[in-house]
Amino acid sequence: EPEVTQTPSHQVTQMGQEVILRCVPISNHLYFYWYRQILGQKVEFLVSFYNNEISEKSEIFDDQFSVERPDGSNFTLKIRSTKLEDSAMYFCASRAPSGRHTDTQYFGPGTRLTVL
Amino acid sequence: AQKITQTQPGMFVQEKEAVTLDCTYDTSDQSYGLFWYKQPSSGEMIFLIYQGSYDEQNATEGRYSLNFQKARKSANLVISASQLGDSAMYFCAMREGLAGGTSYGKLTFGQGTILTVHP
Repeated sequence: EPEVTQTPSHQVTQMGQEVILRCVPISNHLYFYWYRQILGQKVEFLVSFYNNEISEKSEIFDDQFSVERPDGSNFTLKIRSTKLEDSAMYFCASRAPSGRHTDTQYFGPGTRLTVL
Repeated sequence: AQKITQTQPGMFVQEKEAVTLDCTYDTSDQSYGLFWYKQPSSGEMIFLIYQGSYDEQNATEGRYSLNFQKARKSANLVISASQLGDSAMYFCAMREGLAGGTSYGKLTFGQGTILTVHP
């Protein structure tokens, strides 16, 4: 069964460094998302991406964040200058454009980001 | 006001018994979708079940069913015949507005309920 994959599974970085989190969505999906989950808290929406542009973003997604679909398969989240409070699990999700399960977002296994 | 409320921080159930996890939601949209996800201790988010606001029948997926009461704005998850592997965090989530519309389907999550299944 097709699935969303994410790399790396765990990233440790120093405050102020740039990180890029990578995702490979399910191949025929056209809607892509990033969410984050700070330890012990609920999952929060960061950004949605469709047709090669950001369609919606939350107030968390400030100028330090950017997303890109550099090729036909990858979807990346970049944090330019990491802060301690960016430490969280980051989930990528994708959704099909049509069909019975078009409303369902399928999540990747997450990348745990630790900022020291 | 919270859009998704899960009032049970933790629930316990005996193996093979049924359990209901509560979820209430708040929206003024006519079209919306409700989801349940399971998050085991390994951290991944596993989709369990979906209910559209216009669906007249309660959704079912194997041992999972969604008790959808639109007038009460509740979407409780029922797990029948609990198994030890059901022990996990469970999140209720909502997509407001038309899928593919201006909201592009972002999900709003509740705080989650930790379910522990005892042998």
